[in-house]
Amino acid sequence: SQQGEEDPQALSIQEGENATMNCSYKTSINNLQWYRQNSGRGLVHLILIRSNEREKHSGRLRVTLDTSKKSSSLLITASRAADTASYFCATLGMNYGGSQGNLIFGKGTKLSVKP
Amino acid sequence: GAGVSQSPSNKVTEKGKDVELRCDPISGHTALYWYRQSLGQGLEFLIYFQGNSAPDKSGLPSDRFSAERTGGSVSTLTIQRTQQEDSAVYLCASSKILEPTQYFGPGTRLTVL
Repeated sequence: SQQGEEDPQALSIQEGENATMNCSYKTSINNLQWYRQNSGRGLVHLILIRSNEREKHSGRLRVTLDTSKKSSSLLITASRAADTASYFCATLGMNYGGSQGNLIFGKGTKLSVKP
Repeated sequence: GAGVSQSPSNKVTEKGKDVELRCDPISGHTALYWYRQSLGQGLEFLIYFQGNSAPDKSGLPSDRFSAERTGGSVSTLTIQRTQQEDSAVYLCASSKILEPTQYFGPGTRLTVL
């Protein structure tokens, strides 16, 4: 079953603009991750934020987490055409050993950055 | 180092045939996961291996699906008597022990005619 729900489902922006994607989830979490997928193939891990963190940065990426609202956002600043991809949030399903288990993905946001 | 590899990258088969999909995880990663992605269902978890054992097979959709892992490394996902609804991209991922970050392979696109 889907844990997260991203919105918007699709986002189209111009190069240089910022892109914000949101994710909501249902159960308590230890951490939340964001992944990127190009052309419907392999996913690439972007960033992980732990439940005791509120904000995290990595390059042009900024992730926030609000555990009281069970929501997270991913901001990509100064977007580039190469950022065109689908973006998914993911939380752990069954938790083995405290921080390992299958990922439950949201439905994803399809981002299109026009040059 | 090398990432997760999967083979074949594409597989077209006829309904009723069996298929085997292979995943070679990153060396030293003890955890291995199979997922599938289809248009109607999004990304679904299938099975999780820790070493050679599979503590969680809850995502396998039917008894036509099975997976094994040998030597704590390569894994094979087998689908018997394929059906058209099995058409999807099958993704494999691996991770270090007790690490939540997963590293994905490029996937196998399975088409059942």
